[in-house]
Amino acid sequence: AQSVTQPDIHITVSEGASLELRCNYSYGATPYLFWYVQSPGQGLQLLLKYFSGDTLVQGIKGFEAEFKRSQSSFNLRKPSVHWSDAAEYFCAVGAGGNKLVFGAGTILRVKS
Amino acid sequence: GAVVSQHPSWVICKSGTSVKIECRSLDFQATTMFWYRQFPKQSLMLMATSNEGSKATYEQGVEKDKFLINHASLTLSTLTVTSAHPEDSSFYICSAGLDEGTYGYTFGSGTRLTVV
Repeated sequence: AQSVTQPDIHITVSEGASLELRCNYSYGATPYLFWYVQSPGQGLQLLLKYFSGDTLVQGIKGFEAEFKRSQSSFNLRKPSVHWSDAAEYFCAVGAGGNKLVFGAGTILRVKS
Repeated sequence: GAVVSQHPSWVICKSGTSVKIECRSLDFQATTMFWYRQFPKQSLMLMATSNEGSKATYEQGVEKDKFLINHASLTLSTLTVTSAHPEDSSFYICSAGLDEGTYGYTFGSGTRLTVV
């Protein structure tokens, strides 16, 4: 069965510092991978997705993610974090039939 | 772009009553919509897949008689929590999209249900 692991429940970074959120997946075939962001009490916004091709994917708000098949990882990165990036981030894998399996999420705190 | 509207944003109801949550695709037609549930400080769990004109497909462990899903048109799916109890208090989110097979889905803003 498909699964997604986000090892870090909370991460705190200083404003302006770089960010990397980890995501590992378990899937038998070539995965469809996603990163979503959720602000408190809000729905989810898609940051980026990987289906095939270039393993470095660019998303909105300056985020990027790199698919590494050998490590079963799809880590999210941003070179310089802004206070407005504080939110919860979810990694997800497509589970067939357009269903998504989500990781447990990582809460990002940004300190000024 | 695809816009999904979900109402209400929050609702408080008494134990034993039923609550209906609506999910509408505003600028496109969605043959499939998904309903997710999110407990506090936990991830989203898929509850069911809503198919226009047919019965919903429920995930294992989800009570179909308790969580009634209706997808009567290509732009509207509803989730009714029947005989709600405090343990049903949660954040419910729907998603819908245009791109079948490519996971091009947009999420609604969610509904916070509190059962007292």
